[in-house]
Amino acid sequence: EAGVVQSPRYKIIEKKQPVAFWCNPISGHNTLYWYLQNLGQGPELLIRYENEEAVDDSQLPKDRFSAERLKGVDSTLKIQPAELGDSAVYLCASSGGTGGANVLTFGAGSRLTVL
Amino acid sequence: AQSVTQPDIHITVSEGASLELRCNYSYGATPYLFWYVQSPGQGLQLLLKYFSGDTLVQGIKGFEAEFKRSQSSFNLRKPSVHWSDAAEYFCAVGASTGGFKTIFGAGTRLFVKA
Repeated sequence: EAGVVQSPRYKIIEKKQPVAFWCNPISGHNTLYWYLQNLGQGPELLIRYENEEAVDDSQLPKDRFSAERLKGVDSTLKIQPAELGDSAVYLCASSGGTGGANVLTFGAGSRLTVL
Repeated sequence: AQSVTQPDIHITVSEGASLELRCNYSYGATPYLFWYVQSPGQGLQLLLKYFSGDTLVQGIKGFEAEFKRSQSSFNLRKPSVHWSDAAEYFCAVGASTGGFKTIFGAGTRLFVKA
């Protein structure tokens, strides 16, 4: 079984440029999460989807961040425009199926560097 | 709201020595508790979880953790550390309040010396 797939793994951009990250969750997992991980910190939830519905986006900075999960499978997280402080690792996770609704399976992450 | 504290930013142990990583949580009801491990450049991998029942839970790679309600703790242990255990370890607490939410601690980085 393929795990959670994220791309790109690394991205370097200049400030004010847009960037997008893609995530394909484990097949059959209805819940998808985007987490932000700053250096030396634990993951912090940005948004959680149940199928195609964003059920918790309270921590998503909506002035510059957006996310979508149009068909309830893969998802895209976008930042426009990027700021220096957005440099971090963006982790995607999914849950559900036989693993249970409460156990998260993470992708390898997308590391963003904003210059 | 739930929260997690990992008091130790980093710990160094000798290979073959025992390990204990501390975790304290705050939550009003019985929480769901997790330990995840993150190797450099990788995502987080579940080591073990506690939902209910036996307070001593076994996980992968020889790890175990004990839930102590009176101390609001869920410490991770391993009797003999291997060099490959060097990584970042995250304790997490989950709660079903308006949908299941998992909150992570800041992590403890484990260094293993030969």
